[in-house]
Amino acid sequence: GAVVSQHPSWVICKSGTSVKIECRSLDFQATTMFWYRQFPKQSLMLMATSNEGSKATYEQGVEKDKFLINHASLTLSTLTVTSAHPEDSSFYICSARDLRGFTEAFFGQGTRLTVV
Amino acid sequence: RKEVEQDPGPFNVPEGATVAFNCTYSNSASQSFFWYRQDCRKEPKLLMSVYSSGNEDGRFTAQLNRASQYISLLIRDSKLSDSATYLCVVNMGNTGGFKTIFGAGTRLFVKA
Repeated sequence: GAVVSQHPSWVICKSGTSVKIECRSLDFQATTMFWYRQFPKQSLMLMATSNEGSKATYEQGVEKDKFLINHASLTLSTLTVTSAHPEDSSFYICSARDLRGFTEAFFGQGTRLTVV
Repeated sequence: RKEVEQDPGPFNVPEGATVAFNCTYSNSASQSFFWYRQDCRKEPKLLMSVYSSGNEDGRFTAQLNRASQYISLLIRDSKLSDSATYLCVVNMGNTGGFKTIFGAGTRLFVKA
């Protein structure tokens, strides 16, 4: 199946700093990528939909100024957690679909963020 | 009401048991459906797509009822390795914009 690469797989940062997470589709073009967050023992929660060349669409309750999303090309989307706080510590996962749109989503390996 | 709802679980079953998971979705315009499996601290992986006619893959059978907006997954002859969280996933939208919504997941423990 298609490969989505997410980097880094884990990161520890200090409160107040920013962290950038990259999501790349390696063998297909994805006009849309999705960013999810998962707290321990909870389900994946959609944070935002990242559209290539346009602004991301954020889900209700997700601060767009805190979680900056850039999708500059058909194979790369980035999520930047700005001014991170301990409550932002979570598992962040991206997924992408190919241009056809209605196939299954392929997931990155996830990024475990710990803010200390 | 959540867009995708699943049995809360957890399900604790012995090896060899048959177990069924249910899922309902609220948006009648939803267009494609999947079951994913997620192991602890890992990303979800596609288990199988769900087709209107129902489909089977080895010990796994998925069914879709569009009229009732209901999806199911049946696992026969459970193995220890089936222990995981099973996520019901729905794609909704159109070519102008679409998104993938996950159910909360149902945790399965298969015991020897």
